[in-house]
Amino acid sequence: RKEVEQDPGPFNVPEGATVAFNCTYSNSASQSFFWYRQDCRKEPKLLMSVYSSGNEDGRFTAQLNRASQYISLLIRDSKLSDSATYLCVVVGNQFYFGTGTSLTVIP
Amino acid sequence: DAGVIQSPRHEVTEMGQEVTLRCKPISGHDYLFWYRQTMMRGLELLIYFNNNVPIDDSGMPEDRFSAKMPNASFSTLKIQPSEPRDSAVYFCASNRRTSGSYNEQFFGPGTRLTVL
Repeated sequence: RKEVEQDPGPFNVPEGATVAFNCTYSNSASQSFFWYRQDCRKEPKLLMSVYSSGNEDGRFTAQLNRASQYISLLIRDSKLSDSATYLCVVVGNQFYFGTGTSLTVIP
Repeated sequence: DAGVIQSPRHEVTEMGQEVTLRCKPISGHDYLFWYRQTMMRGLELLIYFNNNVPIDDSGMPEDRFSAKMPNASFSTLKIQPSEPRDSAVYFCASNRRTSGSYNEQFFGPGTRLTVL
């Protein structure tokens, strides 16, 4: 079983839509959680950390559900510039990256 | 501050040749990671170092791959001999662990390797 499972998509949504991504993880002892964004032909960059109580950064909301062992990312009011691949990261004894979810925001 | 630096940015080589990828982590970071990314397999961890010591190399695909970190500011990933299936983007990343928890990883721009 993979450490992290992520729906690869692709997600194609119109501008202004709300879209949500989920990742499930297998190790209940995992300690830290992140969402990264990767643009085409670029390196992954941190989008936001995920805290137990949930956290928000502008249009982005990240949540952690330890009981069900998943993390989520919600993007409200999607912009064209949100088009990218979003990778979840779960940290136990090492960093485990999901395979990424591709998002395209359509005009 | 300079981020993670990788060289070369692009490498095209012929099958059988030796390839050396280089990485300079962010100063003060004590962890360094080497990843490989392909469309088919996504981002794969190859090896990571803590304080210049290799901790987990279970992701290194085979003996043709080797990695070293002679000091805190430099690491190499070597493929010898290279094969067409090694074609991928190779990323180096670094981070610092504080208070027992992991902070974010910072990635370099990657080396795009093509083996003909």
